[in-house]
Amino acid sequence: QKEVEQNSGPLSVPEGAIASLNCTYSDRVSQSFFWYRQYSGKSPELIMSIYSNGDKEDGRFTAQLNKASQYVSLLIRDSQPSDSATYLCAVIRSNDYKLSFGAGTTVTVRA
Amino acid sequence: EAGVAQSPRYKIIEKRQSVAFWCNPISGHATLYWYQQILGQGPKLLIQFQNNGVVDDSQLPKDRFSAERLKGVDSTLKIQPAKLEDSAVYLCASSLGTGSYEQYFGPGTRLTVT
Repeated sequence: QKEVEQNSGPLSVPEGAIASLNCTYSDRVSQSFFWYRQYSGKSPELIMSIYSNGDKEDGRFTAQLNKASQYVSLLIRDSQPSDSATYLCAVIRSNDYKLSFGAGTTVTVRA
Repeated sequence: EAGVAQSPRYKIIEKRQSVAFWCNPISGHATLYWYQQILGQGPKLLIQFQNNGVVDDSQLPKDRFSAERLKGVDSTLKIQPAKLEDSAVYLCASSLGTGSYEQYFGPGTRLTVT
């Protein structure tokens, strides 16, 4: 079982729609979770961090965490063509505090 | 606040040659990381420094890769000799330190080994 698993994608959504990205993790006691955005040919950019169960909103982005289900998601509301990128889910491992990344989900927003 | 700086941005070498990458973290960040990212995959940690000491280098292929952070600020990652499978993007990231897990990445160095 992979430490962090994401929808394989690609995910294509029309402009203005909600993009929903899912991530599951295997470490039951992980406490810190992150979403990075990576444009093609660029480096990962931290866009959201979440540490407690529930929702965390930042502009058009909402991160949702459910530790009981070992599930974290990212919603992008009112999707824009500029949101087209690969989104990486990352989890801090509880045994050594290293950041473990998923393979990423590529999102394409159609104008 | 200046971000993480890396150089060079691109490098093309032949197999068995050597190459070095440089990274300067965000000012005040005690922890520095080197990652390797192969196309289509998430970044994989190679080595982590806390100030000038190595915290974790378990994933670093030590027969060919080496890294140092002598003064606890900037760092160098070296590959010698390079193999074709080393073609990847090498990312440097930094974080404040103990208890702070948010990592910020530099622009990366794209290495092509021919």
